[in-house]
Amino acid sequence: DTEVTQTPKHLVMGMTNKKSLKCEQHMGHRAMYWYKQKAKKPPELMFVYSYEKLSINESVPSRFSPECPNSSLLNLHLHALQPEDSALYLCASSQDPAGGYGYTFGSGTRLTVV
Amino acid sequence: SQQGEEDPQALSIQEGENATMNCSYKTSINNLQWYRQNSGRGLVHLILIRSNEREKHSGRLRVTLDTSKKSSSLLITASRAADTASYFCATFRTGNQFYFGTGTSLTVIP
Repeated sequence: DTEVTQTPKHLVMGMTNKKSLKCEQHMGHRAMYWYKQKAKKPPELMFVYSYEKLSINESVPSRFSPECPNSSLLNLHLHALQPEDSALYLCASSQDPAGGYGYTFGSGTRLTVV
Repeated sequence: SQQGEEDPQALSIQEGENATMNCSYKTSINNLQWYRQNSGRGLVHLILIRSNEREKHSGRLRVTLDTSKKSSSLLITASRAADTASYFCATFRTGNQFYFGTGTSLTVIP
């Protein structure tokens, strides 16, 4: 299995809702990442998990809460989002957190906050 | 958190021509990677070049890296309509810092 699987592919949520994005990989990669991408912009790093521990939080608002239950799974819990949080959310993994390898990206979750 | 800038922002060429896009970055890096993104989809890793390498090839792709100028270029030879996509460079630094450049939107006209 050489893929990163993200679910759901599309999500519409109200500003008072709580939802979660899920990311799964079975490549034995030890680093996993969440990125946010707005239209016609590059992906922006949100969180990095290295060996299941949060190693980087790019000053992301607390309404985004990451979780890494095990080495294959990464979740992003969403609560009280704003319309400006609408974006494509990308999950990625890499073999070694120390770098030197390419990243494998999922196809993303298209999030719309209404 | 954006590390690099790419130029041109947009590039339109005829099928069969070569496409060159450039990436400049700001700080020292361990490696630089190029990715392709089709509209609204995930990114696909194309090629990785380490800071001690100057040039790398993969099929129709040629990447160069000049660490003294903090710049890299991606050349796609004999372009095809299927190469139409956005291309991003991304730099990696120790400490797991991995950031994308601004991207180049490539259109290959059949």
